[in-house]
Amino acid sequence: DGGITQSPKYLFRKEGQNVTLSCEQNLNHDAMYWYRQDPGQGLRLIYYSQIVNDFQKGDIAEGYSVSREKKESFPLTVTSAQKNPTAFYLCASRKLAGLYNEQFFGPGTRLTVL
Amino acid sequence: GQQLNQSPQSMFIQEGEDVSMNCTSSSIFNTWLWYKQDPGEGPVLLIALYKAGELTSNGRLTAQFGITRKDSFLNISASIPSDVGIYFCAGPDLNLNDMRFGAGTRLTVKP
Repeated sequence: DGGITQSPKYLFRKEGQNVTLSCEQNLNHDAMYWYRQDPGQGLRLIYYSQIVNDFQKGDIAEGYSVSREKKESFPLTVTSAQKNPTAFYLCASRKLAGLYNEQFFGPGTRLTVL
Repeated sequence: GQQLNQSPQSMFIQEGEDVSMNCTSSSIFNTWLWYKQDPGEGPVLLIALYKAGELTSNGRLTAQFGITRKDSFLNISASIPSDVGIYFCAGPDLNLNDMRFGAGTRLTVKP
């Protein structure tokens, strides 16, 4: 099956711990994105990457870090510096070249920091 | 990030009613996308529009790409309970290759 996978679906961590959220895609998409969604809110961009070994900060990058060592993978680390990490995290990807450049989302990871 | 104006913010309708929501931008877009998000899930792409004036249907859903390329609307006809969710509009920023999103329209359908 082609698509975007995120794991785990639910994640619990103690305050002060770093945690890494996984995102993998087998769509051969160039760009990958991480968004944060809070209850009743829209999508806020954390980081994005258009090519391997390169990534850009989004609107709310503070307290987060990413890597893009492989085209298929774009893990997000929520560090202890993130003041309010409890949220729903969405990974997305899309092809940049060509006319049809829809963005597709993974199922999301709900992170709860206790 | 979020830079599209989407309205209304929420809608409460009776089953069987039609629904209309729209999205506007201060800049032009070459693509308009409409997504639906169920609670606790990722957004799912409903309709993609690529040409100004284009009208596209997907079952009971119809979306149009505005002539000015700065707006789009989504209609849902004869709503059913499973239409409940949040609907987002989106479009790729021409300069940054980033995707811009509306804040979403939360739809509630009463049986």
